[in-house]
This record gives sequence, C-alpha cells and structure tokens, in this order.
Amino acid sequence: GAVVSQHPSRVICKSGTSVKIECRSLDFQATTMFWYRQFPKQSLMLMATSNEGSKATYEQGVEKDKFLINHASLTLSTLTVTSAHPEDSSFYICSAPPSGGARNEQFFGPGTRLTVL
Amino acid sequence: AQSVTQPDIHITVSEGASLELRCNYSYGATPYLFWYVQSPGQGLQLLLKYFSGDTLVQGIKGFEAEFKRSQSSFNLRKPSVHWSDAAEYFCAVVGGGGADGLTFGKGTHLIIQP
Repeated sequence: GAVVSQHPSRVICKSGTSVKIECRSLDFQATTMFWYRQFPKQSLMLMATSNEGSKATYEQGVEKDKFLINHASLTLSTLTVTSAHPEDSSFYICSAPPSGGARNEQFFGPGTRLTVL
Repeated sequence: AQSVTQPDIHITVSEGASLELRCNYSYGATPYLFWYVQSPGQGLQLLLKYFSGDTLVQGIKGFEAEFKRSQSSFNLRKPSVHWSDAAEYFCAVVGGGGADGLTFGKGTHLIIQP
C-alpha cells in the first residue's frame, strides 16, 4: 500500500517556540492531505484539510494562525505549531488519499508526538 | 454533521473467543465507513471499509464488518481473537463539512485475556 511518512516522530520544545511537522507521501501524489490531533487516550480529531496550491481549510475551533499549514508540493504538507504552549502537547497525525478523493482509502502517517514544556 | 459512536470504551475477551465491537453512525447520506486499528506506538492501519454493495465486508487479519442501514451500525467482528489483536480500534465515517476528512469514534480498547 501507499506510504505516508512524518517527521519528526517525536519533538520536545519549550513554551513559546514554533515547531514544524512534515507529512510526505512517499510513492504517490496527494493533492489533499489531512491533519488530525489525538490527545492521550482519546480519538483523532480532524484539524484541517491541506490543499496543494491553495489555502488550507480548518475545522471549527481550530486556530488557523496558530496551526499554519503549507502544502508546498504534491507530496509534502507541513504543519507548524506557532508559539506552542503545554496545552498543544498532543499526537499529530496526517493522512492522504492517493487518488485525491477522501472516499477512497486514506493512508496515515505514523504520527508526531509533540511535548511542550 | 456526521458522528460516530463507539459505546464500549474497553472490552476484554479471552484468547480464542469471538469478538464484536459496536459502531453506530449518524450521517445524512450513504455513509462511507471504515474500521482502523492502532497499536501502541504505531500508526493507524485500515482493517476494512464499506462504500457500497455487499453489506458484509471482509478485512485483513480475519476481521469482518456488517453494514446495517436500518440500525445505522457497522459492527466489527472476528470469530477467534489472538493475543496480537490487543489494540485500540476506531470506527470512522467520511463526508460532510466540506472537508472530507474522517470523523472518528472515541475508540474501543481491546484487552485479550490468556
């Protein structure tokens, strides 16, 4: 199956700093990628949809100025957590549907564990 | 807006016994339904999906699920569980909101007793 990678897998940062997380589709192109957040022992919550060549679409309640998304190419989307605070500590997961439609199988990255001190 | 309910937070099953994990959804149109498994420290793996057609779908690792429109359910089953099946299981539906991202249930933590 298609492979999605994330980098880094784990990051620890100080409060107030910014952290960039990369999501790459390794063997397919993805015009759309999705970013989710998972708090400990909770479900995945969709944060935003990353669109290649256009602005990201954010879910209600997600601050677009805090979670900057850039879909620079057909294989790369980045999520930048700006001015991170301890409450931003979470597991961030990206996914991509290979054929561009969400109704097909989405392939998930392994996730990035963010800890803000 | 669509939603997914997994009523069981934890389920404990003896190894070799049968398993059923419940999932109910709320969605205005024909849903596209998925079951994913998440093992500790690992990413989400797709077990099976339902888009249309036969309401009984077969997945990997011996899992199957049945779509019942009248009950708005998509329960996951396995006739005989193995210790390696211990994990977190998520039911998800796609659609709505203009985003096409998945809406997940809260998950069911499966514990396998020896």
